[in-house]
Amino acid sequence: AQSVSQHNHHVILSEAASLELGCNYSYGGTVNLFWYVQYPGQHLQLLLKYFSGDPLVKGIKGFEAEFIKSKFSFNLRKPSVQWSDTAEYFCAVTPPSGNTPLVFGKGTRLSVIA
Amino acid sequence: DGGITQSPKYLFRKEGQNVTLSCEQNLNHDAMYWYRQDPGQGLRLIYYSQIVNDFQKGDIAEGYSVSREKKESFPLTVTSAQKNPTAFYLCASSSGGTYADTQYFGPGTRLTVL
Repeated sequence: AQSVSQHNHHVILSEAASLELGCNYSYGGTVNLFWYVQYPGQHLQLLLKYFSGDPLVKGIKGFEAEFIKSKFSFNLRKPSVQWSDTAEYFCAVTPPSGNTPLVFGKGTRLSVIA
Repeated sequence: DGGITQSPKYLFRKEGQNVTLSCEQNLNHDAMYWYRQDPGQGLRLIYYSQIVNDFQKGDIAEGYSVSREKKESFPLTVTSAQKNPTAFYLCASSSGGTYADTQYFGPGTRLTVL
């Protein structure tokens, strides 16, 4: 079965630290990749997505992700986190045909402390 | 404002009772989804619908049922056959062209079965 792995369950960082959250998937071939974020008390929302082209994707709030096909990875990064980045982050994948629903990872909870 | 509404926010039921969770969207989206979110488990797909009067089982459909009689509504019934119904339930919608379209999520319903 296709799957998405997020190896970090809970990450704790100080403000201004750099962030990298891992995401690996098991689909063969090309894929569509997403990061969704769930801030405390808010709706889950799209952070960024990759379909094709430049493997470095920019999202909202200074986040970016890099698609590395050879590693089946789509890691999320931010150079300097803020307290407001405290949230749960979900990686998701669907095949390029788009005819199969998204498969979500188990999520990574990020806690940013002052 | 366009968006997805789920009601109620919190729901308590006795074991053995069926309960229906409401999901309404005014985004004119064709596709709608129900997910279950448990701590450390990410989002798991229960049912999805790409068009009115049609829906498909997701990964964990056992013990759940849905209907899609109107484009804007996709209610989920948690039946007494669901072995562990206590969870946070999220509804989402997308424009529906493909499953790669951005999904928009509601605020969720937290169901507790006593």
